Amino acid sequence: DTAVSQTPKYLVTQMGNDKSIKCEQNLGHDTMYWYKQDSKKFLKIMFSYNNKELIINETVPNRFSPKSPDKAHLNLHINSLELGDSAVYFCASSQGVLRYTSYEQYFGPGTRLTVT
Amino acid sequence: GENVEQHPSTLSVQEGDSAVIKCTYSDSASNYFPWYKQELGKRPQLIIDIRSNVGEKKDQRIAVTLNKTAKHFSLHITETQPEDSAVYFCAASRETSGSRLTFGEGTQLTVNP
Repeated sequence: DTAVSQTPKYLVTQMGNDKSIKCEQNLGHDTMYWYKQDSKKFLKIMFSYNNKELIINETVPNRFSPKSPDKAHLNLHINSLELGDSAVYFCASSQGVLRYTSYEQYFGPGTRLTVT
Repeated sequence: GENVEQHPSTLSVQEGDSAVIKCTYSDSASNYFPWYKQELGKRPQLIIDIRSNVGEKKDQRIAVTLNKTAKHFSLHITETQPEDSAVYFCAASRETSGSRLTFGEGTQLTVNP
């Protein structure tokens, strides 16, 4: 039933490690996103893919690399983790940039990443 | 790029009172303005949105108004209830790009019983 799911829900790791977060949506949406929510609750877009094609790539360190194997999945890989990467990462999806019926973005439950 | 400012950052009201949250945006080409509610430890969820071809939209106890000339929009919640307590985010985007939502910094609303 879950529309947008993420794994894992919690991730605690040490500085310098490499980790991945997975996201899947079963809504048939064309567009998926990664957002970072910092400790002050500010939501900032990182990446967006439309039909497996990267369409938004904000100014984030190149240690962050998204990968979309198909339009239902968007994973986020982070290399050489730093303390400042600690945040909640949300995946989201929407119908798509070319479909004007709805722009609502559906968010996943979030992954709380803690780097020690 | 777009910049969205949101005020106030915190808002405390008594149950039954009204609450108003205001946002301003900088990009005059923005024409889609959603509001998201995020309860503690949960995901953001859309509660209402408005497009620039209308000035007001209402859904039960919540309403959004838009002033394109002044580039600001507001969320109004009437007859507040304790379950309305959450962080509320405004956002703005251009429909032509569809996907780039720029969020405000959020308003922590607390409704006291």
